[in-house]
Amino acid sequence: AQSVTQLDSQVPVFEEAPVELRCNYSSSVSVYLFWYVQYPNQGLQLLLKYLSGSTLVKGINGFEAEFNKSQTSFHLRKPSVHISDTAEYFCAVSLTGTASKLTFGTGTRLQVTL
Amino acid sequence: KAGVTQTPRYLIKTRGQQVTLSCSPISGHRSVSWYQQTPGQGLQFLFEYFSETQRNKGNFPGRFSGRQFSNSRSEMNVSTLELGDSALYLCASSLQGAGNEQFFGPGTRLTVL
Repeated sequence: AQSVTQLDSQVPVFEEAPVELRCNYSSSVSVYLFWYVQYPNQGLQLLLKYLSGSTLVKGINGFEAEFNKSQTSFHLRKPSVHISDTAEYFCAVSLTGTASKLTFGTGTRLQVTL
Repeated sequence: KAGVTQTPRYLIKTRGQQVTLSCSPISGHRSVSWYQQTPGQGLQFLFEYFSETQRNKGNFPGRFSGRQFSNSRSEMNVSTLELGDSALYLCASSLQGAGNEQFFGPGTRLTVL
């Protein structure tokens, strides 16, 4: 079975500073990797996904992530954060194939302050 | 294009009752998945339906069930509610399956008293 570990439950950062949210996964088979964001009282919105190809993936709102197969990691980065980036971020994996089941990490709360 | 809609948005029930939640996927999407989100357990997969068939199921008791209609709309039902069923229930739709973006609805907040 696959699993996802988000090492940091909370990440405080000042506005305009860079940030990295860490994600490691475990799976014996190939997986697809995703990052979702959840704002208060809302559903999840996809930031970016890795299916295959280039290991550097660019997403919405200036976020990017790099797939590292040897370290089984998929860390999310943004060079300069804004107050509006304050939210919960979830890393997720799904098995390749036809099923849509996503296995989520426990989430990282990004708190951006002035 | 309209997003995923879920009804109702908020629900309060008492222990022992049953509840039905509804999800309308994005037009053209045939896959609908349900997730439970709680502070303690996080986001957990309940089940996925594709073309009216349950294609995948998570580790939840049989009190949790679902179905999908021919228009891809889906419902989930929880019988004999327990306090621990209090959660945000999220529905997601996608075109086909793995690799396709899943679009999430705003969720139904269920409170069991």
